[in-house]
Amino acid sequence: GESVGLHLPTLSVQEGDNSIINCAYSNSASDYFIWYKQESGKGPQFIIDIRSNMDKRQGQRVTVLLNKTVKHLSLQIAATQPGDSAVYFCAENAGNMLTFGGGTRLMVKP
Amino acid sequence: GAVVSQHPSWVICKSGTSVKIECRSLDFQATTMFWYRQFPKQSLMLMATSNEGSKATYEQGVEKDKFLINHASLTLSTLTVTSAHPEDSSFYICSADDPSGGGFETQYFGPGTRLLVL
Repeated sequence: GESVGLHLPTLSVQEGDNSIINCAYSNSASDYFIWYKQESGKGPQFIIDIRSNMDKRQGQRVTVLLNKTVKHLSLQIAATQPGDSAVYFCAENAGNMLTFGGGTRLMVKP
Repeated sequence: GAVVSQHPSWVICKSGTSVKIECRSLDFQATTMFWYRQFPKQSLMLMATSNEGSKATYEQGVEKDKFLINHASLTLSTLTVTSAHPEDSSFYICSADDPSGGGFETQYFGPGTRLLVL
């Protein structure tokens, strides 16, 4: 479905803590999911992806979890740093189109 | 890694002006480019898919005569906002698909163009 224009929810975490950002997707036919990071005034930056035949994938300091039963995606950031402060979007791919979720603003407190 | 550039990065114009935004893939050839619009504190919304050498595919609700897209080469797509009005003020972001890869991990985003129409 189309992404919906929403005011961004904010997650505030202490530097060094772990962050968990959640995303609900809409299309059960989506077979590929991506997390993007967007800093103010910049374009989205790829973080990590996962295919629908997996339920977990790990990168450097980041882990993506996929629960297809409830159509839920999460991004875990370990040892959150000030440089992680940004807006995070999940995106789902069904067919040949990316649909973005509403985004979550992560604020890291020193 | 692959780089996508946009030009200009920032535009301020008077109402009624037409504004052209360029999206270039700098080190790869992109058969498909995408144009998104993002309003403040909102998510990216796909406007259209631009295919080299053919007409763009517009999303529902996006006026094709208002947002003209031209994908004349494998490294350049342009978006022209015709007769821009204040409600067109937004952050316009393009992305380019690198066909040498597989899947959307090879879709690279440009830095965005901020348009302000007075």
